[in-house]
Amino acid sequence: AQKVTQAQTEISVVEKEDVTLDCVYETRDTTYYLFWYKQPPSGELVFLIRRNSFDEQNEISGRYSWNFQKSTSSFNFTITASQVVDSAVYFCALSAGYSNSGYALNFGKGTSLLVTP
Amino acid sequence: DADVTQTPRNRITKTGKRIMLECSQTKGHDRMYWYRQDPGLGLRLIYYSFDVKDINKGEISDGYSVSRQAQAKFSLSLESAIPNQTALYFCATSHPNQETQYFGPGTRLLVL
Repeated sequence: AQKVTQAQTEISVVEKEDVTLDCVYETRDTTYYLFWYKQPPSGELVFLIRRNSFDEQNEISGRYSWNFQKSTSSFNFTITASQVVDSAVYFCALSAGYSNSGYALNFGKGTSLLVTP
Repeated sequence: DADVTQTPRNRITKTGKRIMLECSQTKGHDRMYWYRQDPGLGLRLIYYSFDVKDINKGEISDGYSVSRQAQAKFSLSLESAIPNQTALYFCATSHPNQETQYFGPGTRLLVL
């Protein structure tokens, strides 16, 4: 069974603070993919990153960084120097193969991030 | 133009009515998916399709049906809408061997 847990339901920070969004996953598959998506107030889902299970390198993209640790089954997302435009709901998701609903994504329940000026 | 489009973007309907949500994509992807988003529950899979002859039920398919009219088109139908089908519906596509799913803008459905 696949499961993604985002324990933080809501986070509120002041602009320029750093914030980390936690994601813990469960899967029995050895090959899988992890994702982060952003859902701004307008409602669309924006793809941020994909990481496969064989690549534990951390990734940095501008103010965004991701820490993937197989030992703890975690794929955490950090925003450095947060901005008001980062306010959104962030989803972590897991995809684990054809047998698991045709590579469908299993989503966490999302973390709502509010960045105030 | 957007790669994945959904129509309508917003819809209000009454209990018992039949309604169809449409999804079209220009990405040339074979895989298409329908998800439903409810507040606080994330997204859940309704149906998925790998081609026009390959359609599969997802986690919450009861009360829904789908049609894959062509590689680029995947429609979701509610045969007899009920209020607890009020939700935000997303279509998504992906290419084999790439895994990343690209989402349409969503359809907000309200069933009264």
